[in-house]
Amino acid sequence: GAVVSQHPSWVICKSGTSVKIECRSLDFQATTMFWYRQFPKQSLMLMATSNEGSKATYEQGVEKDKFLINHASLTLSTLTVTSAHPEDSSFYICSARRGISNQPQHFGDGTRLSIL
Amino acid sequence: AQKITQTQPGMFVQEKEAVTLDCTYDTSDPSYGLFWYKQPSSGEMIFLIYQGSYDQQNATEGRYSLNFQKARKSANLVISASQLGDSAMYFCAMREGAGANSKLTFGKGITLSVRP
Repeated sequence: GAVVSQHPSWVICKSGTSVKIECRSLDFQATTMFWYRQFPKQSLMLMATSNEGSKATYEQGVEKDKFLINHASLTLSTLTVTSAHPEDSSFYICSARRGISNQPQHFGDGTRLSIL
Repeated sequence: AQKITQTQPGMFVQEKEAVTLDCTYDTSDPSYGLFWYKQPSSGEMIFLIYQGSYDQQNATEGRYSLNFQKARKSANLVISASQLGDSAMYFCAMREGAGANSKLTFGKGITLSVRP
């Protein structure tokens, strides 16, 4: 069964709206979670690394003020797309890893965001 | 240089036959891990198989095996006895180092279509 839950799975909203996406690790504690963005037929691009209790580490070119990440507990990280515009439309997917080293990252089912 | 290279644009295989999906990588870190994920059209990322840089034997998981050639820096995925449900996008990924924040870098992916 799923070990990482992501919600919502699909969002359609008007331009200027802020959208919050939740990512939960279901049966383990994840001190680190990762947020990715994926355009159609393309690879996953890492946006940021979310650390419980501290600020997220953003990849180069990712606007921190546009994509707010909060990792308030060991099982929950949220990504808020602020004042979303059509160019923010994409597939957003989170992942978490049990422990370190050879453990695979488990992914949520993703959120399809469409901004009208 | 790209860290993960997947050059096959698309692959076709007849049902019940075996298929090899290519992946080459580039790293100077002696400690790394290689992963393969499957992404069906529904979008979720499904972990398939893992190979550690210090593993002596090639990894196997059911119908999936990894042909790990360290000197050539290749980690090809072999799927035996293909099934229609194997049709999906396949991503090779690498994690360098073993720290909690060590990141997965993905290749561009390969589309596999299984013909009945």
